Amino acid sequence: QKEVEQNSGPLSVPEGAIASLNCTYSDRGSQSFFWYRQYSGKSPELIMFIYSNGDKEDGRFTAQLNKASQYVSLLIRDSQPSDSATYLCAVSLPNSNSGYALNFGKGTSLLVTP
Amino acid sequence: ETGVTQTPRHLVMGMTNKKSLKCEQHLGHNAMYWYKQSAKKPLELMFVYNFKEQTENNSVPSRFSPECPNSSHLFLHLHTLQPEDSALYLCASSPGTGRRTFYEQYFGPGTRLTVT
Repeated sequence: QKEVEQNSGPLSVPEGAIASLNCTYSDRGSQSFFWYRQYSGKSPELIMFIYSNGDKEDGRFTAQLNKASQYVSLLIRDSQPSDSATYLCAVSLPNSNSGYALNFGKGTSLLVTP
Repeated sequence: ETGVTQTPRHLVMGMTNKKSLKCEQHLGHNAMYWYKQSAKKPLELMFVYNFKEQTENNSVPSRFSPECPNSSHLFLHLHTLQPEDSALYLCASSPGTGRRTFYEQYFGPGTRLTVT
């Protein structure tokens, strides 16, 4: 069973701080990595994707990928209370036998306190 | 608004009822997905369609029956469900082409299903 692991949290950070969310995955063949944000009672919203080792920045969000360590992270700078949500890490399943699926972690709950 | 719509948004049904969930995407994507999300569990992939062809059936009970008449529409037909089937059912779509962009999935708002 291919695994995507995330700390369930809650991760609590003060407003204005950097929130760091981490994810590890077990399948070395995975090529595509995604972060989704899910507010309570809502559906997941794609906020970042990363395909190559290194950092990718988009506004206050930075995704980091290290394929050798099978590790992907999401940094949120200048955290706002509106960032409070569950963040889902998703990893592509590389083999055709698995169809065209993403493997999701259980998510990390982030709470940004004013 | 992601360009993926789902109806109904809420559904309460008895165990002997038959109902259908509908999903429509306006993104020009070729792949569509059904997921189940239960409390405290990761998203569970149920079905995948690519260019209207089913490419994944993730050991889903036969009381769930998908239908994909074209690349823009996806249905999930429900019959004789169990209370443990109560969950949020999410539809998603992705481009369906490109080695990496294939997987960029965009979700609809979901249908909150309660089985009584």
